[in-house]
Amino acid sequence: EAQVTQNPRYLITVTGKKLTVTCSQNMNHEYMSWYRQDPGLGLRQIYYSMNVEVTDKGDVPEGYKVSRKEKRNFPLILESPSPNQTSLYFCASRGRLETQYFGPGTRLLVL
Amino acid sequence: AQSVTQLDSHVSVSEGTPVLLRCNYSSSYSPSLFWYVQHPNKGLQLLLKYTSAATLVKGINGFEAEFKKSETSFHLTKPSAHMSDAAEYFCVVSDPWGDKLIFGTGTRLQVFP
Repeated sequence: EAQVTQNPRYLITVTGKKLTVTCSQNMNHEYMSWYRQDPGLGLRQIYYSMNVEVTDKGDVPEGYKVSRKEKRNFPLILESPSPNQTSLYFCASRGRLETQYFGPGTRLLVL
Repeated sequence: AQSVTQLDSHVSVSEGTPVLLRCNYSSSYSPSLFWYVQHPNKGLQLLLKYTSAATLVKGINGFEAEFKKSETSFHLTKPSAHMSDAAEYFCVVSDPWGDKLIFGTGTRLQVFP
């Protein structure tokens, strides 16, 4: 089954403790991206990647890092999480000329 | 630059009555436009998309949207609401390459029996 998976689905952490949210797709898609969703703001793009080793900033990249060492994986790294990064995070992928497929979301709470 | 404005943060309808969710966009080039739906505690599902073919786009679950360039609008409609349509709906505009999605702030649809 074609899908985008994210782990963990729920995460509670404390300020400053590094964390990684993984994202994996099984569709051989070149393009992947990360979004955060906050009430009243819709979804905002954090980072995106057009292929292996090619990444670029979205609209709200501050406080986040990404890497794209393999085509299928696109982890989101928070080196020093802060409470304002409490949010619902979505990973997405797409092939050329296709629509984006979204993962199920990761709900993060930073205390 | 691109942007999208969803004109209503909440819409309430009775089951069986029409649904209208309004969206206006701004784009410096020919846009690709989408509607996504998010049910409570679920991910995002594509309802429909417009990519410069027919201006009336039919999507899943009986939804459709009409692209009106003169009004820079892409309103979502459904003739008869169902209880299962209660969800949050996002209007989205994309750059020509599909790399950058700009989401509206969402419209929460409530359907009353």
